[in-house]
Amino acid sequence: AQSVSQHNHHVILSEAASLELGCNYSYGGTVNLFWYVQYPGQHLQLLLKYFSGDPLVKGIKGFEAEFIKSKFSFNLRKPSVQWSDTAEYFCAVLNTGFQKLVFGTGTRLLVSP
Amino acid sequence: DTEVTQTPKHLVMGMTNKKSLKCEQHMGHRAMYWYKQKAKKPPELMFVYSYEKLSINESVPSRFSPECPNSSLLNLHLHALQPEDSALYLCASSPWTTDTQYFGPGTRLTVL
Repeated sequence: AQSVSQHNHHVILSEAASLELGCNYSYGGTVNLFWYVQYPGQHLQLLLKYFSGDPLVKGIKGFEAEFIKSKFSFNLRKPSVQWSDTAEYFCAVLNTGFQKLVFGTGTRLLVSP
Repeated sequence: DTEVTQTPKHLVMGMTNKKSLKCEQHMGHRAMYWYKQKAKKPPELMFVYSYEKLSINESVPSRFSPECPNSSLLNLHLHALQPEDSALYLCASSPWTTDTQYFGPGTRLTVL
């Protein structure tokens, strides 16, 4: 069965620190990859996505992610976090064969001012 | 506009009640989804509709009954729920089933 792993469950950073959140998936076929963010009290929002092409993708609010096919990874990065980045971040993988979106367990990010 | 709307925002129901959740999108998307999200957990897929036909049922108990009356609307009919069914129910839509899904704000359901 397809699975998505997010290694960091809780991350605490100070403002201006750099962020990297890990995401690995188990499926070997064609996948579409996503990072979603859920701010406190708000609904899931798309940060960025990768379907094909340049493996380094840029999203909203200064986030970027790199797809490394050989490592089955899609890590999220931001050079300098802000207090407003405090949220829960979900990696999600869509197996194009089975057409199911599977979410990782999520990472709670707390940015202290 | 990437808005998916859901009503009601909150719902409290007893185990013998019948209620329905409603989801609407006007983006012309042909795929719609129901997810269940428990506290501090990721969303879990329940149902997928593609072109108004049920294409995936993730072995959801029959007390949850989905319905897609037209390409813009998705309902989830609830009957004889259990307290453990209390959760945030999310609706999502996408242009087709392999594309980006856009999520609504959810209905927070409490079963007493």
